[in-house]
Amino acid sequence: DAKTTQPNSMESNEEEPVHLPCNHSTISGTDYIHWYRQLPSQGPEYVIHGLTSNVNNRMASLAIAEDRKSSTLILHRATLRDAAVYYCIPGLFGNEKLTFGTGTRLTIIP
Amino acid sequence: DTGVSQNPRHKITKRGQNVTFRCDPISEHNRLYWYRQTLGQGPEFLTYFQNEAQLEKSRLLSDRFSAERPKGSFSTLEIQRTEQGDSAMYLCASSLSGENTEAFFGQGTRLTVV
Repeated sequence: DAKTTQPNSMESNEEEPVHLPCNHSTISGTDYIHWYRQLPSQGPEYVIHGLTSNVNNRMASLAIAEDRKSSTLILHRATLRDAAVYYCIPGLFGNEKLTFGTGTRLTIIP
Repeated sequence: DTGVSQNPRHKITKRGQNVTFRCDPISEHNRLYWYRQTLGQGPEFLTYFQNEAQLEKSRLLSDRFSAERPKGSFSTLEIQRTEQGDSAMYLCASSLSGENTEAFFGQGTRLTVV
């Protein structure tokens, strides 16, 4: 499994963009980069995934470095509901075995 | 269908007792996963099923743990002779196999072994 490095915690002001970084320098060529988040007292929820190209969906954007050794999850306008632990997970696309690390705890300041 | 359902939500048991948890996945999903999460850590993979076949088990799944998905629908996770170290949140997830899928997680069963 590819190892990941994420900041333990980050803070952001409400209604401002948030950039959550992830280093995954040992990622294999066939690994996708998944992002999940876990709100307090909830199970994890899918945010976004990508392979090589930048990706956008209704929740977030994913910017993937050209060498694929790092990626950044972008929340364009943070709300209080975005306060959660965000996990960056390199792995096979089929979700056979998601290897969560400790993630980044995001705090949103009103 | 309102998502992945897990029961019970909370379970307190005495050390040495057996416990069983149930997971009802999203109805059309053929894959089902079990994870365990302790305080301050991310979820750890335990096992997964495709239909009724158990395709992979983590070495975390000791011989006291057994999981079943008898008809390819709901699944049960049983822990025999519980130990205090088994105290954790047990999470179930389901997904479709193939491309452009995501895993949907339940809210988990919190087990406390006293």
